[in-house]
Amino acid sequence: AQKITQTQPGMFVQEKEAVTLDCTYDTSDPSYGLFWYKQPSSGEMIFLIYQGSYDQQNATEGRYSLNFQKARKSANLVISASQLGDSAMYFCAMREGPYSGAGSYQLTFGKGTKLSVIP
Amino acid sequence: GAGVSQTPSNKVTEKGKYVELRCDPISGHTALYWYRQSLGQGPEFLIYFQGTGAADDSGLPNDRFFAVRPEGSVSTLKIQRTERGDSAVYLCASSSPSGTGDLSNEQFFGPGTRLTVL
Repeated sequence: AQKITQTQPGMFVQEKEAVTLDCTYDTSDPSYGLFWYKQPSSGEMIFLIYQGSYDQQNATEGRYSLNFQKARKSANLVISASQLGDSAMYFCAMREGPYSGAGSYQLTFGKGTKLSVIP
Repeated sequence: GAGVSQTPSNKVTEKGKYVELRCDPISGHTALYWYRQSLGQGPEFLIYFQGTGAADDSGLPNDRFFAVRPEGSVSTLKIQRTERGDSAVYLCASSSPSGTGDLSNEQFFGPGTRLTVL
């Protein structure tokens, strides 16, 4: 089974509007972290936001917020007031804790969502 | 400060050839990861170094792939007898030392090396 599922291959949003990018995850480890990365056409992965499995509040970083619904195993990214520079690929990723056996704490990525901001 | 750098940025080779891809992590970062990103996919884990040793190489697809980090800084990913299916962007990431179980520790990515095997 996929550990990270991003069901939206592509999304369009009008400039200055908000957009939600979906992410669901699958793990049996009680301790895990969820990340969102932005990948512009230049190729570099840019860290946006992090949510820990034990965090009580949803993470926020400027225009980015994470809608974390633990029971549903979803971690959707919300971008408010979209800008043209937000056009890029967006990846959701998970890092599992020691119970999973993934001692290296590597990231497991979804397939990504391509966001296009329309002027 | 300087970020993670990778060289070359592009590499075109012929099937069957040997290639080396280099990663220079952020100074002081002891953890180093290699990922492979195929077209239309997210990055997939290949190998993890903590210091000089390969602590987890479970993501390497086969024995044609090998990586080293002899002095605990620069790492080289080596691919023998390249195949067309090896064509992808190879990403390197590094992170600072952190306590065990610090899941929030950010990985900083380099710009990647685009490998094309003809």
